[in-house]
Amino acid sequence: DVKVTQSSRYLVKRTGEKVFLECVQDMDHENMFWYRQDPGLGLRLIYFSYDVKMKEKGDIPEGYSVSREKKERFSLILESASTNQTSMYLCASSLAGREQFFGPGTRLTVL
Amino acid sequence: EDQVTQSPEALRLQEGESSSLNCSYTVSGLRGLFWYRQDPGKGPEFLFTLYSAGEEKEKERLKATLTKKESFLHITAPKPEDSATYLCAVQANQGGKLIFGQGTELSVKP
Repeated sequence: DVKVTQSSRYLVKRTGEKVFLECVQDMDHENMFWYRQDPGLGLRLIYFSYDVKMKEKGDIPEGYSVSREKKERFSLILESASTNQTSMYLCASSLAGREQFFGPGTRLTVL
Repeated sequence: EDQVTQSPEALRLQEGESSSLNCSYTVSGLRGLFWYRQDPGKGPEFLFTLYSAGEEKEKERLKATLTKKESFLHITAPKPEDSATYLCAVQANQGGKLIFGQGTELSVKP
């Protein structure tokens, strides 16, 4: 079975803090994705990566950056957290053109 | 513009009462259509992929079908444990991104 793990289930941070969300997959997938999910807005793509050291902006990249130094690991960085970044963050991975498998999510609260 | 619309937004069923969820899409070349189940506070769980019109996939009480404009998720004799939000997503020929619908929240009462 594909397994996607995220570093934290719940996270509470202060405004202005730098926040790192880590995602690891164990199925040698080329593609990795970061989404946020908010009530009424659905799933929105923040960034994705097709290969190591490659990244592409999704629909809402502002305020975020990413890092992919190894194939199995994709990190989402909030350079200076703000209250409007309070959300559920979901990581996913896939083979090229195939279904995405999601992690359990990280519920981030920014105070 | 590529778009996915799911209906209804919410559906309440009695245990054993069969029904269907709809996913309508407009996309510039469909590469695949995906169904997911999401329980509260958890990540989406992959259910099915459909690639071409006329294709059908089944898993337990769920059956997904695809036409050129929409997909249906049929739920036969649902049980309370089928209660969840069901998400539909499409992948266009250009690029690997998924475009998600807003989901249908299904509640099955005993």
